[in-house]
Amino acid sequence: GENVEQHPSTLSVQEGDSAVIKCTYSDSASNYFPWYKQELGKGPQLIIDIRSNVGEKKDQRIAVTLNKTAKHFSLHITETQPEDSAVYFCAAIAGANNLFFGTGTRLTVIP
Amino acid sequence: DAGVIQSPRHEVTEMGQEVTLRCKPISGHNSLFWYRQTMMRGLELLIYFNNNVPIDDSGMPEDRFSAKMPNASFSTLKIQPSEPRDSAVYFCATTSLGINTEAFFGQGTRLTVV
Repeated sequence: GENVEQHPSTLSVQEGDSAVIKCTYSDSASNYFPWYKQELGKGPQLIIDIRSNVGEKKDQRIAVTLNKTAKHFSLHITETQPEDSAVYFCAAIAGANNLFFGTGTRLTVIP
Repeated sequence: DAGVIQSPRHEVTEMGQEVTLRCKPISGHNSLFWYRQTMMRGLELLIYFNNNVPIDDSGMPEDRFSAKMPNASFSTLKIQPSEPRDSAVYFCATTSLGINTEAFFGQGTRLTVV
């Protein structure tokens, strides 16, 4: 099955700086790569996703890039704010809706 | 829609007891996933159903774990007998069958086995 690795496990940035989280996947058949944000006491929520026919996607301060050749994809958050502090999960889908998650990155934005 | 509804939100039980976690998917969603979250292992997929049929249960850790989906609006995850190492947050997530659709998570059940 798919194996998704995520780095770093923890990340601290100053408010206003950028944050980058990186993931790799193993199954070349994976074609959908969502990112989820999990706030304390809540379930993960989708914040952005990218499909395999696209190299980059941006939504305001959040962007995701995909390199299918290298099997890498990354989440970029610019101008970070304290409310961006949360745990972020990358995921990959290979096959019929079977979501494989990375192990998560705890992001702390320091005011 | 109220979203994915899980119950209970918190469960504290003694080792050896049976535990049943419940999930009500979003109406119209026909894929349902059970995940376990711990600090050490992150989010682990335990089992998922498509159209109420179990597709992949390879993530179920032991025979003590079982899951059912008797109809499109209800699923259970049962642990019998429970052990302290089962303590975790259990999430249910649902989505529509199809290509690349968003999964919606419930609020989770925090299970503590003492």
